[in-house]
Amino acid sequence: AQSVTQLDSQVPVFEEAPVELRCNYSSSVSVYLFWYVQYPNQGLQLLLKYLSGSTLVKGINGFEAEFNKSQTSFHLRKPSVHISDTAEYFCAVSLNSGNTPLVFGKGTRLSVIA
Amino acid sequence: KAGVTQTPRYLIKTRGQQVTLSCSPISGHRSVSWYQQTPGQGLQFLFEYFSETQRNKGNFPGRFSGRQFSNSRSEMNVSTLELGDSALYLCASSSDSYSYNEQFFGPGTRLTVL
Repeated sequence: AQSVTQLDSQVPVFEEAPVELRCNYSSSVSVYLFWYVQYPNQGLQLLLKYLSGSTLVKGINGFEAEFNKSQTSFHLRKPSVHISDTAEYFCAVSLNSGNTPLVFGKGTRLSVIA
Repeated sequence: KAGVTQTPRYLIKTRGQQVTLSCSPISGHRSVSWYQQTPGQGLQFLFEYFSETQRNKGNFPGRFSGRQFSNSRSEMNVSTLELGDSALYLCASSSDSYSYNEQFFGPGTRLTVL
């Protein structure tokens, strides 16, 4: 079965600084990878996804992630964060058949400091 | 298009009671998935319904059940509530059964069991 590890539970960063949120996965077969964001008292919103093709994936709100098969990683990056990026970020994986439920990491709380 | 809606948004119950949560998917979406989110366990998949049939099921006890109606609206029921059932319950919809890569989440129902 696949699993996801988000290495940092909390990441504080100053406004306009770059940030990287780390995600590693474990699976014996090919996978689809996702990053979701959850703002307080809201559901999850899809930031970006990797299904196939280019390993560098660009998403909404200036975020991007790079799929690294050899390191089984899918780290999320943003070159300059804003206060409004303060939220919980979840990495998720599913088998690349598309018909298996998402398995989520435990989440990373990003706090942007003014 | 209206997004995924969940009712009620907040619910307080006592141990031993049962509860029913409702989810209305995006218009045209036929697949509805349910997830439980807790601080300790994170996001865990409960079950998925497509065209009124349960297609996938997570590792939860039989006290957790669901159903889907012909208009794709879904309900989940938890019987004999336990303190550990306190959680945010999220519903997600997608256009077909094999589109976990295209899920849209609702804002969730916050259940508190006293």
